Amino acid sequence: QQPVQSPQAVILREGEDAVINCSSSKALYSVHWYRQKHGEAPVFLMILLKGGEQKGHDKISASFNEKKQQSSLYLTASQLSYSGTYFCGTLGGSEKLVFGKGTKLTVNP
Amino acid sequence: GAVVSQHPSWVICKSGTSVKIECRSLDFQATTMFWYRQFPKQSLMLMATSNEGSKATYEQGVEKDKFLINHASLTLSTLTVTSAHPEDSSFYICSAQTGDFTYEQYFGPGTRLTVT
Repeated sequence: QQPVQSPQAVILREGEDAVINCSSSKALYSVHWYRQKHGEAPVFLMILLKGGEQKGHDKISASFNEKKQQSSLYLTASQLSYSGTYFCGTLGGSEKLVFGKGTKLTVNP
Repeated sequence: GAVVSQHPSWVICKSGTSVKIECRSLDFQATTMFWYRQFPKQSLMLMATSNEGSKATYEQGVEKDKFLINHASLTLSTLTVTSAHPEDSSFYICSAQTGDFTYEQYFGPGTRLTVT
């Protein structure tokens, strides 16, 4: 089942913060976050694993509530380069990631 | 680390011809690779899972005879779109999964296929 992302889109001014949420209806092993710019492939940002382990970029932070099957990606002091579409991918009972529909983030000067 | 290459980055072909897309993991071995298709402004749609040395597993609705996948080695998987038609035009992206418990996936740069 496809995870639900919210919001669908967000517009920020440079320096502002944003939170992107990802929610699943099934038990999860991990949540993976990616950013995709127009015409390019998704770029790995972070993995959050059941049990609390995380792996990702220093400037990106995220949380994973295993009980609620929810994850949030926190973008602080946004930069122009943060613009793009953010996808969460969830891993449950198989090795296959299921991606949400994406959240389009636009950061304006 | 964790670099995945994909070739070609774009291709234009005539209807009825076949196109082969290569996906390589450059600095790690990937027992599992995935092939996705993405339409404009949409999410990634998984087409198939490719495991080295075995037959690919296709998602429901994906024609296995049309999208031939071969995972010849731990660093190479290929997708061949056979008898391509204009409706096959899309952005095809592969990913390679690391072999550790994190199941990280790293994506190739994608191949834009246009069938005329």
